[in-house]
Amino acid sequence: NAGVTQTPKFQVLKTGQSMTLQCAQDMNHNSMYWYRQDPGMGLRLIYYSASEGTTDKGEVPNGYNVSRLNKREFSLRLESAAPSQTSVYFCASSETEANYGYTFGSGTRLTVV
Amino acid sequence: QKEVEQDPGPLSVPEGAIVSLNCTYSNSAFQYFMWYRQYSRKGPELLMYTYSSGNKEDGRFTAQVDKSSKYISLFIRDSQPSDSATYLCARASYNTDKLIFGTGTRLQVFP
Repeated sequence: NAGVTQTPKFQVLKTGQSMTLQCAQDMNHNSMYWYRQDPGMGLRLIYYSASEGTTDKGEVPNGYNVSRLNKREFSLRLESAAPSQTSVYFCASSETEANYGYTFGSGTRLTVV
Repeated sequence: QKEVEQDPGPLSVPEGAIVSLNCTYSNSAFQYFMWYRQYSRKGPELLMYTYSSGNKEDGRFTAQVDKSSKYISLFIRDSQPSDSATYLCARASYNTDKLIFGTGTRLQVFP
């Protein structure tokens, strides 16, 4: 059982480049989330999708877009990467948005130079 | 003021010690509180959750919530080197019902 799978695991981008982080879950969960984790800042919510077909902004959405492609997949796009977006990105899922037992992926380490 | 505050550590203890990890929170409306454990270069995993006040025990782990003082604690008995990780407390936001995390406390248990 794979749980939550994130790709890629590592990425280096130049300022201004774009990229999409992929996330897929195989637990039939309804809700999915994107967090970023920075030293001293903890995990901060970027965007979430309560259910297929809906997306909403979290605490730090600027510079990002998301797509809930289907029930399994939730992607995060950086249109024009900036050094401030250097971080570790985690995707998570839960049965519903009121279920707080989130399952996290192993993360994508992104460096923007 | 962050909604959830944690001492970042690191907290270094010998094997077998009792560990106390703590969080404070600012909004008394929260009802659900969680502890997640995160090993180095891995994603967080749910360790325990509690609802409202009181204690919850699971093996060597005890989670405690004191709503009157807005204090959340995680106790680890007979700590092991395998407990070395970062421990994140979290609570459900009253606005969005999304989990809001503390910054995490790094724990090191040495043999």
